[in-house]
Amino acid sequence: QSALTQPRSVSGSPGHSVTISCTGTSNDVGRYNYVSWYQQLPGKAPKLMIYDVSERPSGVPDRFSGSKSGNTASLTISGLQAEDEADYYCCSYVGSYPLYVFGTGTRVTVL
Amino acid sequence: QVHLVESGGGVVQPGESLRLSCAASGFSFSSYAMHWVRQAPGKGLEWVAVISYDGSNKFYADSVKGRFTIFRDSSRLLLQMYSLRREDTAVYYCATAHSTIAKRPGGGGTMMAPGFWGQGTLVTVSS
Repeated sequence: QSALTQPRSVSGSPGHSVTISCTGTSNDVGRYNYVSWYQQLPGKAPKLMIYDVSERPSGVPDRFSGSKSGNTASLTISGLQAEDEADYYCCSYVGSYPLYVFGTGTRVTVL
Repeated sequence: QVHLVESGGGVVQPGESLRLSCAASGFSFSSYAMHWVRQAPGKGLEWVAVISYDGSNKFYADSVKGRFTIFRDSSRLLLQMYSLRREDTAVYYCATAHSTIAKRPGGGGTMMAPGFWGQGTLVTVSS
């Protein structure tokens, strides 16, 4: 089971939007609506931002949204803020060994 | 609020064993499946293992299967690691499933991805 493919980096200006893609296969992202997204600030533990493709946990700003089409999931950050500068990882349920696979990670830079 | 504190990390030689512990408080521990996820220095996240809310279901990454054992008691999540390799060097995080077992009972909650994470404990395997 290979890691899900994410762009190495994306960038955007404050107030603009950025979208991070997460490409898997028909055995993981394409099969289950169980894709989650995590934000990791430098030196910190990851934080759950989206689960089940598009569900936002309590306390996560609605500037963060998730979607999926076929074998590719996406995280969109609208109204980009300086505090959004971080690494972002997607994760998909696989249903067989290994049960979960993470993406390669994307560094978001706020210009 | 949810509080997870990992401990037990340290420096060990290849082939040795180590047990990690994650103390849980501030929530109904017995209502959540629990995960271990690791991150090698400067690298991305790697899922390691998950255990169901009641300990009856356990699943592992291929890279640790047969060497690591995940288990839990009333307030702790544990990871027993045997035959450690240099490539096991990483920060190890424990995490709850994103929701309680009531949301998705299948597999004892193991079908829910990591939700709340602890701060991690560093394991270094080196001679």
